[in-house]
Amino acid sequence: ETGVTQSPTHLIKTRGQQVTLRCSSQSGHNTVSWYQQALGQGPQFIFQYYREEENGRGNFPPRFSGLQFPNYSSELNVNALELDDSALYLCASSLVPGQGAYEQYFGPGTRLTVT
Amino acid sequence: AQKVTQAQTEISVVEKEDVTLDCVYETRDTTYYLFWYKQPPSGELVFLIRRNSFDEQNEISGRYSWNFQKSTSSFNFTITASQVVDSAVYFCALSEAMGGSYIPTFGRGTSLIVHP
Repeated sequence: ETGVTQSPTHLIKTRGQQVTLRCSSQSGHNTVSWYQQALGQGPQFIFQYYREEENGRGNFPPRFSGLQFPNYSSELNVNALELDDSALYLCASSLVPGQGAYEQYFGPGTRLTVT
Repeated sequence: AQKVTQAQTEISVVEKEDVTLDCVYETRDTTYYLFWYKQPPSGELVFLIRRNSFDEQNEISGRYSWNFQKSTSSFNFTITASQVVDSAVYFCALSEAMGGSYIPTFGRGTSLIVHP
């Protein structure tokens, strides 16, 4: 059984640029969630995708957007990067589209640094 | 106000000691879910346990046990006979309904260091 994978592992961008992060969900999981984890903090829910549609969103501005593909993989796009966007971005998959009501399986994350 | 409070920022113990990680939550919902996750240095969160608000039974899994008390809004986690491999950051999380979706809120985590 393949776990959740994310790419790239690390990324350095300049303020104002755009970035795309990628996630492949665990085999058989049809729901993907994205989280932002600032240093020393807990993960913050960005949004969740189920059947290629956004299915719940946290308190993040519209410049954070996403996509889910038919194979359940997902992308997180962030436009107009700000210094505060520097964080570990975690992707999590689950089998049940219950948003945050069920256990999720996390990838290792993408460390984004904005300079 | 924080919805999930993990008051212990860092705990340091010696191997074989028992350790309890505290979690206090705040919600007005009657239906909600509580979780514990472990985040080792590799970064990925590992699911440990899920509890719904109607199930106050305590649970034991090997050296791990959880004490859920609705009266005090607490969901504490105890590791018995700690081992060096238990060193990690542990997060408590609350999922409550918001606009038809269950949105998870994580605490700030407790860093557990187990010394040999």
